[in-house]
Amino acid sequence: ETGVTQTPRHLVMGMTNKKSLKCEQHLGHNAMYWYKQSAKKPLELMFVYSLEERVENNSVPSRFSPECPNSSHLFLHLHTLQPEDSALYLCASSQDLIGGETQYFGPGTRLLVL
Amino acid sequence: GENVEQHPSTLSVQEGDSAVIKCTYSDSASNYFPWYKQELGKGPQLIIDIRSNVGEKKDQRIAVTLNKTAKHFSLHITETQPEDSAVYFCAASFDNDMRFGAGTRLTVKP
Repeated sequence: ETGVTQTPRHLVMGMTNKKSLKCEQHLGHNAMYWYKQSAKKPLELMFVYSLEERVENNSVPSRFSPECPNSSHLFLHLHTLQPEDSALYLCASSQDLIGGETQYFGPGTRLLVL
Repeated sequence: GENVEQHPSTLSVQEGDSAVIKCTYSDSASNYFPWYKQELGKGPQLIIDIRSNVGEKKDQRIAVTLNKTAKHFSLHITETQPEDSAVYFCAASFDNDMRFGAGTRLTVKP
């Protein structure tokens, strides 16, 4: 176990649904990340939070909305998704947001949009 | 921005043989190079990393080499075992910007 947990592990939703992904890290880290992992493509960084402040948003569509209520929890709120949003969504954390920090990943949420 | 290319995309070896995965990066400022292993149903887990002030690092059966001049780094797994079968990702990082390769699916045949 890496100390990063994600729920749910699997999610099926329709295009009109609203759902949320949850991530929790038990490592005392200050930075948290959301990544999208699609088949045969590099991991795509979506959002970065440092000390609960969003520091990066990589041109992610507004149908994805992150929330970081404290340094241990990170949410990804989903609404009106498209089938091409089906992927594995990974959460990660690192001690701080500086160069050379190891990122620790959760197991991911496998999302299927119908 | 940084661009990381990883080869091969799939690799099949016999148990006991060595496996080598190679990555190239484009940003000469990148200074941190981790390797992750992702097993089915799990998130990527760090297996070894190297920083730009080091040319080689070894941990038991795995080793990583870095050639800063050529901007490439490689993962070497010796005496492969079936449990080494997984997808391996390289990454290159400068500051807080980490870019990943597309992954190599390694299969170790018993």
